Amino acid sequence: GAGVSQSPSNKVTEKGKDVELRCDPISGHTALYWYRQSLGQGLEFLIYFQGNSAPDKSGLPSDRFSAERTGGSVSTLTIQRTQQEDSAVYLCASSLTGTGGRQPQHFGDGTRLSIL
Amino acid sequence: QKEVEQNSGPLSVPEGAIASLNCTYSDRGSQSFFWYRQYSGKSPELIMSIYSNGDKEDGRFTAQLNKASQYVSLLIRDSQPSDSATYLCAVNQAGTALIFGKGTTLSVSS
Repeated sequence: GAGVSQSPSNKVTEKGKDVELRCDPISGHTALYWYRQSLGQGLEFLIYFQGNSAPDKSGLPSDRFSAERTGGSVSTLTIQRTQQEDSAVYLCASSLTGTGGRQPQHFGDGTRLSIL
Repeated sequence: QKEVEQNSGPLSVPEGAIASLNCTYSDRGSQSFFWYRQYSGKSPELIMSIYSNGDKEDGRFTAQLNKASQYVSLLIRDSQPSDSATYLCAVNQAGTALIFGKGTTLSVSS
């Protein structure tokens, strides 16, 4: 597609349930990033993929969070046993490459996650 | 702890004026610098990137970088009401994650 695509756009779920968020990056982009943005807060880095590998997972807040990427394309972010503090907008970005840092990251529209 | 600092604002300017947005960063090893615009309820949209000291102009936007002072700024000339948004400064050291500031809210009045 033309841009980064994320689904669902909105997700409401009960505390304790598992959720899966999906990201389809720009075609040809090898690097993929997950961030989250809580109300009134800045964007917080979660994880970075180069191809199917995740060389930087340093931003994942707990072991309830995991992510994978298959075929060098689509990525899913899974949150197990959701907590109310997980409520945020989860943003996915992709860039042509991840090395060197000069490639700009382009963002999807995000998934707004609300935990009841 | 790598940090990127921005004044939260709001920065209010009249239509047609120059808006000046500032950002400082803590990591001297930072190599790439980006400005994103984020409208309320929308995702960040890249508007400028800068990698070398000096100025870079693109239309009404000028990014300025001073690595010695660890300072990057964005000037918006001939500000329009449609420029009203939150502007995010983002810094990258050597690939991988962008470190974002919390953003400056700009309000342009007609």
